[in-house]
Amino acid sequence: QKEVEQDPGPLSVPEGAIVSLNCTYSNSAFQYFMWYRQYSRKGPELLMYTYSSGNKEDGRFTAQVDKSSKYISLFIRDSQPSDSATYLCAMSTIISNFGNEKLTFGTGTRLTIIP
Amino acid sequence: DAGVIQSPRHEVTEMGQEVTLRCKPISGHDYLFWYRQTMMRGLELLIYFNNNVPIDDSGMPEDRFSAKMPNASFSTLKIQPSEPRDSAVYFCASSRTSGAHEQFFGPGTRLTVL
Repeated sequence: QKEVEQDPGPLSVPEGAIVSLNCTYSNSAFQYFMWYRQYSRKGPELLMYTYSSGNKEDGRFTAQVDKSSKYISLFIRDSQPSDSATYLCAMSTIISNFGNEKLTFGTGTRLTIIP
Repeated sequence: DAGVIQSPRHEVTEMGQEVTLRCKPISGHDYLFWYRQTMMRGLELLIYFNNNVPIDDSGMPEDRFSAKMPNASFSTLKIQPSEPRDSAVYFCASSRTSGAHEQFFGPGTRLTVL
């Protein structure tokens, strides 16, 4: 079983719809939870990160973490064609006494917003 | 700032050849990371450096892979000899701190081994 599971999609929704992207994980040691957006033939770029359970909002994006269920979500409101990309969830653990973190990524969900 | 710079952007080579991928991190960033991305396995950390010293190379798949960081502004990832299963996109990322949420990724090198 992978440490981080993410539905690869693809997911297609009409413009203006609410998008829900999800990941589950098995490692209780994960401390930071992140969402990256990756456009075709580009590197991933950080969208949001959270530390605790609950919701964090940034504009049209809301990240949700449920540590008890080992489940994280990203919601996109009023989706736009420019949101079409692959969305990667990522989680980190502390791997050294110096506080160095190691990222583990999901495989990504390919999202298309249809105008 | 120019961001993380990687070269070449595309590399096509034949099985058995040596491949060298290059990365220039963002100035002032003390951490440098090499990742590999494939459809099947997603994005995987290969190795990372702190102040030019390798900290964790547990993700390096086998002895054919090696990485160096001779100075703060340059790193290489070498595959020798290359195999078709090494075909992937290789990303370099850098950050100011060890915080995983502060990494900035380069555009990647798309490697095809025939």
